[in-house]
Amino acid sequence: GQNIDQPTEMTATEGAIVQINCTYQTSGFNGLFWYQQHAGEAPTFLSYNVLDGLEEKGRFSSFLSRSKGYSYLLLKELQMKDSASYLCAVFLTMEYGNKLVFGAGTILRVKS
Amino acid sequence: ETGVTQTPRHLVMGMTNKKSLKCEQHLGHNAMYWYKQSAKKPLELMFVYNFKEQTENNSVPSRFSPECPNSSHLFLHLHTLQPEDSALYLCASSQDGTGFETQYFGPGTRLLVL
Repeated sequence: GQNIDQPTEMTATEGAIVQINCTYQTSGFNGLFWYQQHAGEAPTFLSYNVLDGLEEKGRFSSFLSRSKGYSYLLLKELQMKDSASYLCAVFLTMEYGNKLVFGAGTILRVKS
Repeated sequence: ETGVTQTPRHLVMGMTNKKSLKCEQHLGHNAMYWYKQSAKKPLELMFVYNFKEQTENNSVPSRFSPECPNSSHLFLHLHTLQPEDSALYLCASSQDGTGFETQYFGPGTRLLVL
């Protein structure tokens, strides 16, 4: 089966840096997405990684190691508005089509 | 902001009711998806439509019935639901459902089944 693990909750301080980890054991892996979801709102796309390495996008960076089945999302200069759930999702290519499989999400609380 | 809209945003229904959820995307995409999000559980893919054709039914009970009349609209018809069906139902769209591409989500319909 497909298995995606990420911490349930994290707390960090405004202005700090936080790293949210995601590990996966899947077949047909073809890339990984990170989404942000504020309570009661749509998940919004943050970043994706297909190849190993770091992708940087402003205050947000995402890293992927395909050989280790591991990714992280790095948030710098935390702001209160970054309090949200962060969803790790793996993109799988199967013989019958493609599919996005999500982890349960990590709730990040930013405190002042 | 999002190019995917969903109505209603909130819905309360009894187990004998019939209701429909609507999704509309304004992004010119050709693939649309229904997901279910229950508390503290991962998003679960329910249905996929590519170019109006259903390409995936992820073992969803028949009390959920999707309809895709065109590439911009997607419905989820609900009948004789159970309390455990209470969840956030999210619609998403992507360019054409092939290859590696980003999915864009609507705000969801929060459903409560009594």
